[in-house]
Amino acid sequence: QVQLQQSGPGLVKPSQTLSLTCAISGDSVSSKNAAWNWIRQSPSRGLEWLGRTYYRSKWHTDYAISVKSRITINPDTSKNQFSLQLNSVTPEDTAVYYCVYYDSSGYPTKWGQGTLVTVSS
Amino acid sequence: QSVLTQPPSVSAAPGQKVTISCSGSSSNIGKNYVSWYQHLPGTAPKFLIYDNNKRPSGIPDRFSGSRSGTSATLGITGLQTGDEADYYCGTWDSSLNVWMFGGGTKLTVL
Repeated sequence: QVQLQQSGPGLVKPSQTLSLTCAISGDSVSSKNAAWNWIRQSPSRGLEWLGRTYYRSKWHTDYAISVKSRITINPDTSKNQFSLQLNSVTPEDTAVYYCVYYDSSGYPTKWGQGTLVTVSS
Repeated sequence: QSVLTQPPSVSAAPGQKVTISCSGSSSNIGKNYVSWYQHLPGTAPKFLIYDNNKRPSGIPDRFSGSRSGTSATLGITGLQTGDEADYYCGTWDSSLNVWMFGGGTKLTVL
């Protein structure tokens, strides 16, 4: 069974870069039957899908339009993990961030524990 | 503002039934399966419905889903106070090539 363990700072200053990592156990980040996503939740915006990375003979990424100019999601095959980088953050990026496993059915069936990231000076 | 439109809130008494709508377009709900999620504060969202109307194992049959055209509906019968939560619909948008959630609906069990 897939397990996801998130890590990263809970406080980021405005204009800086938010960085989170999600360590995977129970599957491979290179699995051809999975996709590795980041989703955030805030009272003002609800659940917001940010993007994903997945491997199907080559690596693919898709990003939400709202953050496309500021986001990077990268797989790390050597450590079996994937990461989120969100640049130029503002207080509006304050949210609980989740890494999420979408299985072969195409649904989010496993969530990380969530990381509250506050953007504040 | 989400492309998938849900009512901000619904309410009903314990034991009653409630429905939550999710309105989209031909590129998302009209073309792809819809799923539903229950979110309680401080916890990860819970997977309630997939493929429009199927329940994962462990989800009681009090929860049901349906889709018609570019809209979907979540139904909950026999409401319990423990059902108070935020509910989200979700689906893929084939034109934008993104996953999307509805804006969320807060259920209050009076």
